Amino acid sequence: KNQVEQSPQSLIILEGKNCTLQCNYTVSPFSNLRWYKQDTGRGPVSLTIMTFSENTKSNGRYTATLDADTKQSSLHITASQLSDSASYICVVSRGDDKIIFGKGTRLHILP
Amino acid sequence: GAVVSQHPSRVICKSGTSVKIECRSLDFQATTMFWYRQFPKKSLMLMATSNEGSKATYEQGVEKDKFLINHASLTLSTLTVTSAHPEDSSFYICSARGGGVSNQPQHFGDGTRLSIL
Repeated sequence: KNQVEQSPQSLIILEGKNCTLQCNYTVSPFSNLRWYKQDTGRGPVSLTIMTFSENTKSNGRYTATLDADTKQSSLHITASQLSDSASYICVVSRGDDKIIFGKGTRLHILP
Repeated sequence: GAVVSQHPSRVICKSGTSVKIECRSLDFQATTMFWYRQFPKKSLMLMATSNEGSKATYEQGVEKDKFLINHASLTLSTLTVTSAHPEDSSFYICSARGGGVSNQPQHFGDGTRLSIL
């Protein structure tokens, strides 16, 4: 069954700290994996995209990793800021154009 | 970067009203547009996929007569919720993709919060 599982469901950290969000998937055939940030009441915004051959992709303080063998991805946020408070969604695309969304991790940054 | 504009951002209306939501790609041609529904603290649920000039493909369980989708041009798709009822209250998000291939990113609108009284 094609699934995308994210952990933790929610996370609270202090401003300035680092954190890592996890995404495990069982999607096949795999095409690409994206991480999105969704602020409350807004649409998702793409942070990174990785294909099968890519292990790491950075976008500012966001660094995504992909292990295609174990079907795991992570999103690392460095030196968190209050504006990082949002839901982070892992999205995996199949080769047949189907897109499977994870349920997201809700991140809260405390001052 | 690519921008998708969704309008209106918020609608409050009485039960039985039909509501139209517009999704526009502002700086690229969207060969494919997607409509999603999102309940609080839940992930996006794909409702339908539409390609310009052809009928939309609806996901299982989504009533096509209830949720009318039109994708008449490469920059505009509309979702009409017909005879809306309180259970239709939700956050509706559109996305648009150009190029016609899955590796092209989806660009999301900012959503429409629909509240049916």
